Amino acid sequence: GAGVSQSPSNKVTEKGKDVELRCDPISGHTALYWYRQSLGQGLEFLIYFQGNSAPDKSGLPSDRFSAERTGGSVSTLTIQRTQQEDSAVYLCASSSQPNTEAFFGQGTRLTVV
Amino acid sequence: TQLLEQSPQFLSIQEGENLTVYCNSSSVFSSLQWYRQEPGEGPVLLVTVVTGGEVKKLKRLTFQFGDARKDSSLHITAAQPGDTGLYLCAGARVTGNQFYFGTGTSLTVIP
Repeated sequence: GAGVSQSPSNKVTEKGKDVELRCDPISGHTALYWYRQSLGQGLEFLIYFQGNSAPDKSGLPSDRFSAERTGGSVSTLTIQRTQQEDSAVYLCASSSQPNTEAFFGQGTRLTVV
Repeated sequence: TQLLEQSPQFLSIQEGENLTVYCNSSSVFSSLQWYRQEPGEGPVLLVTVVTGGEVKKLKRLTFQFGDARKDSSLHITAAQPGDTGLYLCAGARVTGNQFYFGTGTSLTVIP
């Protein structure tokens, strides 16, 4: 597609349930990032994928969070046993090369009730 | 610890006024991006600066990268209500796998 696409755009889930968030990056972009933006907060880095290299998971806040990127394209961020503090907007971005300008999707607003 | 500090955090001005937003750090960046984000949307890239001292203009917006590549500024001339939004700076370091985002500046331009 022309831009980064994320789905769903909104997700409401009950505390304790698992959720999967999807990101479809710009075609041909080898780098993919996940960030989290809480209300009134800046963007918090979660995880980075580059080509076939091992992902940089240094930003994942707990072992309930995981992500994968299949075939160097689509990525899925999974949150297990969701907690209320997981409520935030989850943003995905891609770039053509590492540390070059990144283009963001519209985000997934996650609400844990 | 926030690597990039933006100021001011909030700004409310009248249409037609000028303003400057600052993005400061003690770290050196290989490049720096400015984004604008509207409610319910992801950040939209405005500009990338890569050379110390570089100045880029985008219509009424002027972006400058500091000589030492540690800071940047965004100047808006004759602000319009359409400029309203959250402005974010983001830096990439020579080593590392992430963009470091600033704390954000929420701009409101009153008609």
